[in-house]
Amino acid sequence: QSVLTQPPSVSGAPGQRVTISCTGSSSNIGAGYNLHWYQQLPGTAPKLLIYGYSNRPSGVPDRFSGSKSGTSASLAITGLQAEDEADYYCQSFDSTLRVFGGGTKLTVL
Amino acid sequence: QVQLQESGPGLVKPSQTLSLTCTVSGGSISSGDYYWSWIRQPPGKGLEWIGYVYYNGNSYFNPSLRSRVTMSVDTSQNQFSLKLSSVTAADTAVYYCAREEIMRNWFDPWGQGTLVTVSS
Repeated sequence: QSVLTQPPSVSGAPGQRVTISCTGSSSNIGAGYNLHWYQQLPGTAPKLLIYGYSNRPSGVPDRFSGSKSGTSASLAITGLQAEDEADYYCQSFDSTLRVFGGGTKLTVL
Repeated sequence: QVQLQESGPGLVKPSQTLSLTCTVSGGSISSGDYYWSWIRQPPGKGLEWIGYVYYNGNSYFNPSLRSRVTMSVDTSQNQFSLKLSSVTAADTAVYYCAREEIMRNWFDPWGQGTLVTVSS
């Protein structure tokens, strides 16, 4: 069981908006630690998608955005495209450990 | 642009030691700005952080694996390594090396990953 909780799956049609939640606690997100998001396309390594809750590395489309609310974070994807079908992981810091969410599989219908 | 590449045996027998190396190109492993980490992913499952090594050899491991993990760094070869002892089938996973920016704690970039299967 992961310290950070994500829904196992979400889905949406092309062009739609989807959100993926990441629920933490007072020992990670609530303690003020940063949260990051990774995209893992099928058969590939994870790639940094969002850092520090809402910042996009160079090259990441602005269709991807992140936010924080209390001890939770969210990843939003607008204008959904077939190429967005992937697994998405949140990651933070808990005490001295680096922790990941269990991952969310995004299906583009 | 920094790139990381894992290498090592793809098959390890139970009770033996898993050994992997990550070669860093396009940048120096001796930069004091980064930790050099290992992360694994069992087939069909999520990501688990194993630990990191710093360029001076300091390291920190996930308590769940601490008793079996050793990490080292070879600055002359721009490489860092992972050893996991007394492996079982539960250690079968894709092993990734990744760079972690100190004080920011995100992982970027990642190596492509290498599948290690524990089986007799």
